[in-house]
Amino acid sequence: QSALTQPASVSGSPGQSITISCTGTGNDIGAYKYVSWYQQYPGRVPKLIIYEVNNRPSGVSNRFSGSKSGNTASLTISGLQAEDEADYYCSSHAKRGTDHLVFGGGTKVTVL
Amino acid sequence: QLHLQESGPGLVKPSETLSLTCSVSGESITSADSHWGWVRQPPGQGLEWIGSVAYSGYTYYSPSLKSRITISADASKNQFSLKVRSVTAADTAVYYCAREYSSAPAYWGQGTLVTVSS
Repeated sequence: QSALTQPASVSGSPGQSITISCTGTGNDIGAYKYVSWYQQYPGRVPKLIIYEVNNRPSGVSNRFSGSKSGNTASLTISGLQAEDEADYYCSSHAKRGTDHLVFGGGTKVTVL
Repeated sequence: QLHLQESGPGLVKPSETLSLTCSVSGESITSADSHWGWVRQPPGQGLEWIGSVAYSGYTYYSPSLKSRITISADASKNQFSLKVRSVTAADTAVYYCAREYSSAPAYWGQGTLVTVSS
């Protein structure tokens, strides 16, 4: 059981926008700006696509955007493309006694 | 250019200790404010953060694994290591090392599959 809760799957048609939610608690997402998102293709290494809630590393498409409200973070993919079909994970800094990171269980994005 | 590479046995027997090393090139593991971590992914499952070591040598551990893991750094070799004690089949996973920025694993190694089996 993951510390952060994500929907198992989200789907959309090419060109549409989809949003993936990531729900935590006041000890992680609600307390820190350190929310990140990762994209992972089958058999490949995860890739950081969003850090500090809404920042994109160099080279990441601006079709990816992040936000946070309370204990829930969100990743929005705009102008959905076939290449966006992948697994997406959120993570957050957390503190329950000690500082650590927690991941969500992952969301499979399907492009219809 | 930053490069990380995991190394270690691909097969470990139950109840024994899993040991992995991450060799880093392109940056010193003692560079200011740097954090170096481990993430694992069981076959067909999601990502799990294991822990990290800071440039200072301070370590951070997952609360769920804390009792069984040790992460350490060797500045002279520009490497950091992971040990997981008393392993079971549930520890079978691809283990990744990573350079963390702002509490986010940003640069990842290619990963190494460790299977726990007799």
